[in-house]
Amino acid sequence: EDQVTQSPEALRLQEGESSSLNCSYTVSGLRGLFWYRQDPGKGPEFLFTLYSAGEEKEKERLKATLTKKESFLHITAPKPEDSATYLCACKAAGNKLTFGGGTRVLVKP
Amino acid sequence: DGGITQSPKYLFRKEGQNVTLSCEQNLNHDAMYWYRQDPGQGLRLIYYSQIVNDFQKGDIAEGYSVSREKKESFPLTVTSAQKNPTAFYLCASRQHVDTEAFFGQGTRLTVV
Repeated sequence: EDQVTQSPEALRLQEGESSSLNCSYTVSGLRGLFWYRQDPGKGPEFLFTLYSAGEEKEKERLKATLTKKESFLHITAPKPEDSATYLCACKAAGNKLTFGGGTRVLVKP
Repeated sequence: DGGITQSPKYLFRKEGQNVTLSCEQNLNHDAMYWYRQDPGQGLRLIYYSQIVNDFQKGDIAEGYSVSREKKESFPLTVTSAQKNPTAFYLCASRQHVDTEAFFGQGTRLTVV
């Protein structure tokens, strides 16, 4: 059975304090790993897709990387507006996306 | 403006009632999905549809039903058989099987 585990569950950062979120996966035949940002009471907002080990994607203060067993979302010099829950999802063959439990990030000014 | 529209934003259901959540997309996507999100948990797949007039059960389909009569619409009915329906429901669509899914803004269902 496909499994996606995110850590830590919650992360409190000072503004400017860089950190990384982890997404480890056990998926047969990974066809894509997706990162989303979710604000309270809203639907997830797409951030990145990674398809193969070694791939990296960047957007503003966020950078996503992928290995054969895990993905990292690095937040560089975060600002309070980066506070959100970050979700990781994996897709194997077929149509299902398997989501992790998310990491709640709070950036304090 | 292309996107996915879910309605209503908030829904209250009495015990024993069926309720229907609406999901409409104008992205011309073939595949559509319904997820349930509980506090502090990841998204769990209820049903999905790859083409019109076809849909498959996800991991937690019991107590739910769907239809896909039009490409742009994928309504979800929460039946009285669903014993714990209070949750945040998210609809999503995807253009191709390996591309990212786009989500609506969700419907929060509460049993009163």
